[in-house]
Amino acid sequence: EAQVTQNPRYLITVTGKKLTVTCSQNMNHEYMSWYRQDPGLGLRQIYYSMNVEVTDKGDVPEGYKVSRKEKRNFPLILESPSPNQTSLYFCASSDPGETQYFGPGTRLLVL
Amino acid sequence: KNQVEQSPQSLIILEGKNCTLQCNYTVSPFSNLRWYKQDTGRGPVSLTIMTFSENTKSNGRYTATLDADTKQSSLHITASQLSDSASYICVVSAREYGNKLVFGAGTILRVKS
Repeated sequence: EAQVTQNPRYLITVTGKKLTVTCSQNMNHEYMSWYRQDPGLGLRQIYYSMNVEVTDKGDVPEGYKVSRKEKRNFPLILESPSPNQTSLYFCASSDPGETQYFGPGTRLLVL
Repeated sequence: KNQVEQSPQSLIILEGKNCTLQCNYTVSPFSNLRWYKQDTGRGPVSLTIMTFSENTKSNGRYTATLDADTKQSSLHITASQLSDSASYICVVSAREYGNKLVFGAGTILRVKS
């Protein structure tokens, strides 16, 4: 089954404790992206990657890092999480210019 | 500034009724316009994708229209069902920014029995 998976689905952590949210897709898509979604603000792009070893900042990259060592994986790293990073995070993948497939989301609470 | 604005913010309708959601955008030039459905707590799922040369596209009871001259799109839902309760998001792809996606804030639809 074609899908985008994210782990963990739910995470509660404390300020400053490094965490990684994994994202994996099995559709051989070149394009992958991370979004955060906050009430009333819609989806905002954090980082995206056009292909392996190619990553670029989106609209709200501060406080986040990503890597794309393999085509299928695109982890999101929060080196020192802060409460304002409490949000719902989505990973997505697609072929260039085509429909994006979204993961199920990761709900993060930073205390 | 590239923007996508959706209206209304929220909408409540009775099961079986039709409704229309609006999307106005300033993204120019654009590659395509997409409508997504997002159930609560889940990832968005694509409903339709239209290029600037397409005026209408259907997906079952969902019909999207596009007027590239006025930079407006609408999503019409026919014979609504309880399962249509969700957030509907309009997304425009900005051609000159490497097809960067610009998201609207969404319209929350609730279908009541």
